[in-house]
Amino acid sequence: ETGVTQTPRHLVMGMTNKKSLKCEQHLGHNAMYWYKQSAKKPLELMFVYSLEERVENNSVPSRFSPECPNSSHLFLHLHTLQPEDSALYLCASSLRAGDYNEQFFGPGTRLTVL
Amino acid sequence: GQNIDQPTEMTATEGAIVQINCTYQTSGFNGLFWYQQHAGEAPTFLSYNVLDGLEEKGRFSSFLSRSKGYSYLLLKELQMKDSASYLCAVLDSNYQLIWGAGTKLIIKP
Repeated sequence: ETGVTQTPRHLVMGMTNKKSLKCEQHLGHNAMYWYKQSAKKPLELMFVYSLEERVENNSVPSRFSPECPNSSHLFLHLHTLQPEDSALYLCASSLRAGDYNEQFFGPGTRLTVL
Repeated sequence: GQNIDQPTEMTATEGAIVQINCTYQTSGFNGLFWYQQHAGEAPTFLSYNVLDGLEEKGRFSSFLSRSKGYSYLLLKELQMKDSASYLCAVLDSNYQLIWGAGTKLIIKP
């Protein structure tokens, strides 16, 4: 596998379920990101990890819980979500956080909360 | 507050030229990115401008004017595969990316 991969590609869950999104990058990058993309809205940065340390948390509700066990893997744990959380969740990586390096995105997980 | 403005949707004809504008108001500036995103796919990097002027890359060019807070992406010899959303993003003084909502480009035969 090359680039940035995400699983699952599609997820439907009820408000009481617990699920996890997984992201893996094969680029040797040190920074990883979670974004939320809703229709006709700008990408919303949720979390940034640099060398497995969380460096950014943009006022995201606690029902979203990130985990970065190593520089190649990133998880987003979901619990007691709301219907308005339905969106495309994109993972990205870059060589370093906090500079001009381009970000490489995964294909996203399309999440539907019923 | 920080703001990126770009048109919601544009339509152009195959073989023609289209210019997608982006204006920004951010706290500081460390460069501007353009990304392309096909429906259901990941955004992919197109260009990065940090100095004023035009950067050409094949059929795609990107222009920046820092004094005007303005950029455009120029696509020449349009092909059907160029139908996608084009995202403008500015790196602010904290090196945080501020994103526009994207411009959906529809190419007609």
